[in-house]
Amino acid sequence: DIVMTQTPLSLSVTPGQPASISCKSSRSLLNSDGKTYLYWYLQKPGQSPQLLIYEVSSRFSGVPDRFSGSGSGTDFTLKISRVEAEDLGLYYCMQGIHLPLTFGGGTKVEIK
Amino acid sequence: EVQLVESGGGLVQPGGSLRLSCEASGFTFSRYWMNWVRQAPGKGLEWVANIKEDGSKKQYVDSVKGRFTISRDNAKDSVYLQMNSLRAEDTAVYYCARDGDPYDSSGYTDYWGQGTLVTVSS
Repeated sequence: DIVMTQTPLSLSVTPGQPASISCKSSRSLLNSDGKTYLYWYLQKPGQSPQLLIYEVSSRFSGVPDRFSGSGSGTDFTLKISRVEAEDLGLYYCMQGIHLPLTFGGGTKVEIK
Repeated sequence: EVQLVESGGGLVQPGGSLRLSCEASGFTFSRYWMNWVRQAPGKGLEWVANIKEDGSKKQYVDSVKGRFTISRDNAKDSVYLQMNSLRAEDTAVYYCARDGDPYDSSGYTDYWGQGTLVTVSS
């Protein structure tokens, strides 16, 4: 199985400041179809996960443009340009190139 | 609006069985692969199984193979997870999630239900 490793485990951010989360995969997520199968989800407290970013850098419908994704191969980053109070929660990266789909351990974002 | 509503969770003894249901609305259900993903209390996310739009292909994580069966009824816009020989480590919130693209196992899920809690304990 592909192992997804996220850092840091937690992050405390002042509103208006940027935040960055790293995700590394144990194998390349670049497929022969040219797509890179890396996704980001946010699980707000008491809610189910919601898709933020698909295929490394494409924002899902309704996701604010302060969220951006980048990276290639095995190294990826989620950035929030200016954190807002509603951004608190657990962030997960996920790979979709090989079954089983596997998730990172999560990064908890707290608001100062 | 895409909606997924799970039901069927509860308390069950080790070795017991439970059937989860997920009813979909707001999209053409018969065009999408569907997934089950679980989350143990205080833990991360684990993909459990998926099923092709017509039910002809099913895939599972190794830890549930031979014990869990995913199925669907497109006439009822519903997907199911039959869980047998349950173990304490199966205790989790089980989420139903839609695949990201129609007619394709896209490798990701875009919409999730609110989840149903399964507790395996004597």
